[in-house]
Amino acid sequence: NAGVTQTPKFRILKIGQSMTLQCTQDMNHNYMYWYRQDPGMGLKLIYYSVGAGITDKGEVPNGYNVSRSTTEDFPLRLELAAPSQTSVYFCASSSPLNQPQHFGDGTRLSIL
Amino acid sequence: AQSVTQLGSHVSVSEGALVLLRCNYSSSVPPYLFWYVQYPNQGLQLLLKYTTGATLVKGINGFEAEFKKSETSFHLTKPSAHMSDAAEYFCAVRAMNSGGYQKVTFGIGTKLQVIP
Repeated sequence: NAGVTQTPKFRILKIGQSMTLQCTQDMNHNYMYWYRQDPGMGLKLIYYSVGAGITDKGEVPNGYNVSRSTTEDFPLRLELAAPSQTSVYFCASSSPLNQPQHFGDGTRLSIL
Repeated sequence: AQSVTQLGSHVSVSEGALVLLRCNYSSSVPPYLFWYVQYPNQGLQLLLKYTTGATLVKGINGFEAEFKKSETSFHLTKPSAHMSDAAEYFCAVRAMNSGGYQKVTFGIGTKLQVIP
């Protein structure tokens, strides 16, 4: 009964470093999403995927990359970390049609 | 294009008082509407949803919301606030865009403070 699992929960990076935020879901959902949440700004969509091998940009994709090789996994990659990428990142999944999204607990990322 | 407006980024109510969190949306196609709650250091959890049918929707923890198409609103209410209701609440709209993708748009959130 895991749902959406994100790792790590916390991370501190130096400017210019790279890292991958992991996200996996066990509900066989086709749709997966990455959001960032900044204080007072709500949730901004970074990338989304409608199925294995299919990804597309959201509102704020610059500085990030994704891949979707399996239904379960949807990792988010930061290539050259910048202070502006300090945020809380949420992964979510959903089935198609009129169903809600299921969210992970988030990854809190600080870039110094 | 679709959008969500949550009026009031912070709302304070006394314990036992009515909770009213406002949400207005715009959508060019019939939308699906959701309210989520976020407790500190956690992800978002579904409170309730409107898809089709009855316009008054009941959710968890005593919350309910009414879909009013004429007013393009989906306000969240609870008759009597509890201390445990203190959290951030997000309204979201989901609708099909021209590319066949179900786009989800979130409001900026409303932080609810419950005063003892």
